[in-house]
Amino acid sequence: AIQMTQSPSSLSASVGDRVTITCRASQGIRNDLGWYQQKPGKAPKLLIYAASSLQNGVPSRFSGSGSGTDFTLTISSLQPEDFATYFCLQGNSYPLTFGQGTKVEIK
Amino acid sequence: EVQLVESGGGLVQPGGSLRLSCAASGFIFSDHYMDWVRQAPGEGLEWVGRIRNKAHSYTTEYAASVKGRFTISGDDSKNLLYLQMNNLKTEDTALYYCASPETHHWGQGTLVTVSS
Repeated sequence: AIQMTQSPSSLSASVGDRVTITCRASQGIRNDLGWYQQKPGKAPKLLIYAASSLQNGVPSRFSGSGSGTDFTLTISSLQPEDFATYFCLQGNSYPLTFGQGTKVEIK
Repeated sequence: EVQLVESGGGLVQPGGSLRLSCAASGFIFSDHYMDWVRQAPGEGLEWVGRIRNKAHSYTTEYAASVKGRFTISGDDSKNLLYLQMNNLKTEDTALYYCASPETHHWGQGTLVTVSS
């Protein structure tokens, strides 16, 4: 199975900060990667698909990049509603695998 | 509007069985792949399995942790997705989500607790 190593596991940031979260795949996955946001008590919500494509309705402050094994989710200017946990998901091969998650907390 | 609504969760003893359902609406169910994903309390997300669409003969894939114990099926006439879970273990305790990977929608989940 492909392992997805996500970092950091948590971070503290202030409103307006630029935030970067990374996922590394244990083998190449082309651009078959999505980024999800999850708030407490809610289902995950897709932010980015195909590594860099913004899902409809998602604010443009979210962006994704990468291909192969290294991927990045960037929030250009953190907003109060962005405090949540973020997960990556590889869809290249079965079994699909998630990263461990990054909890973004208020500084 | 796409909607996914899970049901069937509850408390079950180790070794027991449970069948979860996911009612889908707002899209052509038979055209789409469907996933089950779970989340143990306070933990991350774990993909459980997938069923392909009618065009791909409803073939399935499973995580190693559930293979041989869980079975995914669907009823296109009722727009229902199922997860049959047998020989349940305490580590199967989780919130179970159904998800449509192509429409990018998830349900709100149904809680399964495996405990004696």
